[in-house]
Amino acid sequence: QVQLVQSGAELKKPGASVKISCRASGFSLRSYVIHWVRQAPGQGLQWVGWINGDSGTTKFSQNFQDRVIITRDIYANTVNMELNGLRSEDTAVFYCARFYYDRSGQPLNAFDIWGQGTKVTVSP
Amino acid sequence: DIQMTQSPSTLSASVGDRVTITCRASQNIDTWLAWYQQKPGKAPTLLIYKASTLEDGVPSRFSGGGSGTEFTLTISSLQPDDFATYYCQQFNSFSRTFGQGTKVEI
Repeated sequence: QVQLVQSGAELKKPGASVKISCRASGFSLRSYVIHWVRQAPGQGLQWVGWINGDSGTTKFSQNFQDRVIITRDIYANTVNMELNGLRSEDTAVFYCARFYYDRSGQPLNAFDIWGQGTKVTVSP
Repeated sequence: DIQMTQSPSTLSASVGDRVTITCRASQNIDTWLAWYQQKPGKAPTLLIYKASTLEDGVPSRFSGGGSGTEFTLTISSLQPDDFATYYCQQFNSFSRTFGQGTKVEI
């Protein structure tokens, strides 16, 4: 079954760091780009950044680029997102999502598979 | 960054109604737009990509249109399962910005 499985909920103090994992099942990360999205309680979706599963190249939103690191472990078929300097506004659910390609490898410009989400709570 | 603006923010409708949600981009994005549906406590699911192509398995009552800076998502006959929040997302720039969402409620 093609899916992304994320790690469990985290409780962190302000200023701390959090590392969330996203394991691909049913497909190889090396063939895809994986994105991360933040959703604060009752709020909309905010794009964080992406990693190319083959090359390891990353791109980030200007809103996060100074404190986010995205890495991949091709042997574990897993992508990790580390967010540093946690603030109250980082209390949110973080999703990983797969960039969509058709069978011939053409980009379809959408996210077709999403992880179940990881809740991060930042509290003193 | 390209800004995406959805309207309305909230839409009240009844089962069987035809509803349309609009998404406007701050600059030309051709047809590089996707639509998602999200239900409370769940991850978003893909409805439409490239502005008007229906994802496999999505009911045909959903349709998308538009190009350039103005796009629409239409539900031809609202069903009970469709009450949810809908988001557009642009793919023209590397910053994959979303609209702020439209909640469709009873």
